Amino acid sequence: DGGITQSPKYLFRKEGQNVTLSCEQNLNHDAMYWYRQDPGQGLRLIYYSQIVNDFQKGDIAEGYSVSREKKESFPLTVTSAQKNPTAFYLCASDSQRTALSQPQHFGDGTRLSIL
Amino acid sequence: AQSVAQPEDQVNVAEGNPLTVKCTYSVSGNPYLFWYVQYPNRGLQFLLKYITGDNLVKGSYGFEAEFNKSQTSFHLKKPSALVSDSALYFCAVRAYNQGGKLIFGQGTELSVKP
Repeated sequence: DGGITQSPKYLFRKEGQNVTLSCEQNLNHDAMYWYRQDPGQGLRLIYYSQIVNDFQKGDIAEGYSVSREKKESFPLTVTSAQKNPTAFYLCASDSQRTALSQPQHFGDGTRLSIL
Repeated sequence: AQSVAQPEDQVNVAEGNPLTVKCTYSVSGNPYLFWYVQYPNRGLQFLLKYITGDNLVKGSYGFEAEFNKSQTSFHLKKPSALVSDSALYFCAVRAYNQGGKLIFGQGTELSVKP
């Protein structure tokens, strides 16, 4: 079955360390997204990519970086500049370039905590 | 600016009773509206969407939503709640003049008690 795979499910970061969250999709979607979820704050957009080798900052991009070298993959790096990284991170994808009426599909998330 | 509001942080319902989770939106042009459900430590699952046409939209697991253009609302409903419906519900609107991004509401925690 097609879907989005996020790994790892749980991740711990040490002080001053960069960590990378993986997101892979086999839905043949052009667009991919990273969201951060904190309790009571809904979903906030970190970065998104509408096509390979191109991406845009979302609402809270500071302290994060991404790459989009392949259509299927959109990894997120949480850098040491992100001072409050503890959150639930969700990856999503859709075919909005061709069909804005289509919903986004989500992975099952990565929960990041500080050691 | 495009926005979505879910005015209730939590909704409590007894099993078997009807439920409503409220959503209002502000968007330029015709909206594409979505409802998602999230269970603990899981991603969001798509429930239903409004694009155009009938104001009453039917979706997964017996849920439906009523689109009201004059009130700019898109409330989620279910005639008879189940304990297993307890979860976090998100309303979202597609901002197609902002690169097609989805804008989410804050979420509403639904608790269904036996």
